[in-house]
Amino acid sequence: EIQMTQSPSTLSASVGDRVTITCRASQSISSWLAWYQQKPGKAPKLLIYKASKLESGVPSRFSGSQSGTEFTLTINSLHPDDFATFYCQHYNSYPLTFGGGTKVEI
Amino acid sequence: QMQLVESGGGVVQPGKSLRLSCTASGFSFNNFVVHWLRQAPGKGLEWVAVMSYDGDSKFYGDSVKGRFSVSRETSNNTLFLQMNSLTTEDTAVYFCAKSGGVGPNFFDTWGQGTLVTVSS
Repeated sequence: EIQMTQSPSTLSASVGDRVTITCRASQSISSWLAWYQQKPGKAPKLLIYKASKLESGVPSRFSGSQSGTEFTLTINSLHPDDFATFYCQHYNSYPLTFGGGTKVEI
Repeated sequence: QMQLVESGGGVVQPGKSLRLSCTASGFSFNNFVVHWLRQAPGKGLEWVAVMSYDGDSKFYGDSVKGRFSVSRETSNNTLFLQMNSLTTEDTAVYFCAKSGGVGPNFFDTWGQGTLVTVSS
């Protein structure tokens, strides 16, 4: 099973800040990584797939990048609507696994 | 518009069984793959199960293997999750989610979830 280690677990930020969340895979997953945003009581929403491809309709302030087995989600100029929990997920093979989540709070 | 709706959640005693349903609209199970995932209260996301595009293969997470089984009714565009020998650790919101493609994949459409509470 591929382990996904996500950091930090909690992040305090302000509107307008640039935020970076990191996810490290325990082995090579090529670029088979997705990022999701989840708000309380709601289903997750896909933001990024294949490490850096922006899902249709997702604002361009969200971006994804990769360096080997380390993946990064960046939010440029944090909006009030962006305060939520973010998860990474690999889809290199079964079982699919998620990072532990990063809560972005004010 | 693609939509998924889960149903069948509720309160069940430890050791009992429950069957969840996931009904799709706006797309056909003949053309897409749908997974089951779950999220325990206050915890992260966990992938649970999937049936392959052709229905010939089924894959399960380690924590549910041997107890849960996935099936589908393509005529009704419905996916099922049969959950047996439930324990308190199975308490979670269960989501179904549409895969972005065949094989291991990301999830581009999610249902709203159905809560399963295992308690005596």
